[in-house]
Amino acid sequence: GQNIDQPTEMTATEGAIVQINCTYQTSGFNGLFWYQQHAGEAPTFLSYNVLDGLEEKGRFSSFLSRSKGYSYLLLKELQMKDSASYLCAVADSNYQLIWGAGTKLIIKP
Amino acid sequence: ETGVTQTPRHLVMGMTNKKSLKCEQHLGHNAMYWYKQSAKKPLELMFVYNFKEQTENNSVPSRFSPECPNSSHLFLHLHTLQPEDSALYLCASSQTRQEPHDEQYFGPGTRLTVT
Repeated sequence: GQNIDQPTEMTATEGAIVQINCTYQTSGFNGLFWYQQHAGEAPTFLSYNVLDGLEEKGRFSSFLSRSKGYSYLLLKELQMKDSASYLCAVADSNYQLIWGAGTKLIIKP
Repeated sequence: ETGVTQTPRHLVMGMTNKKSLKCEQHLGHNAMYWYKQSAKKPLELMFVYNFKEQTENNSVPSRFSPECPNSSHLFLHLHTLQPEDSALYLCASSQTRQEPHDEQYFGPGTRLTVT
């Protein structure tokens, strides 16, 4: 079966760095997405990785290792507004997105 | 503003009611999706439309019936629902269904409660 695993909840301090991991087992691989979802709001796109390595976009970076079936989202200089759920999703061989259950990130002052 | 709107935002219905959820995208996209989001569970893909044609139906019960009259509008018709159908229903769109890197743009969702 297809499976995406990510931690249910993480807590971090304002100004710090946090890494949210995602491991996957899917039928084929056509890229991995990270989305951010604030409570009561729509998920919004953060990043897309299809090749191994690190993609940096401002305070957010996303890493992919296809051989290990592993990705992480790195958030630097955390701000209170970063409190949200972070969703990992993989596009399988049919281009269908397989979603993780999301990681709820709590930022403390 | 994500360019995808959904109405209503909240809906309470009895098990014998019939209601419809509406989604509209103003992004010129050709693919539209219905998802179900339950607490602490992964997003469940329900239906996919690409250029107004339904391309996927992920074993969704027949009490959910989608309709896509054009590339900008998507409906989800509901009838004789069960309490376990209570969830957040999200609509999304993307440029096409064929390109894996096309990000999906989500609407704010309809919070459905079945009593």
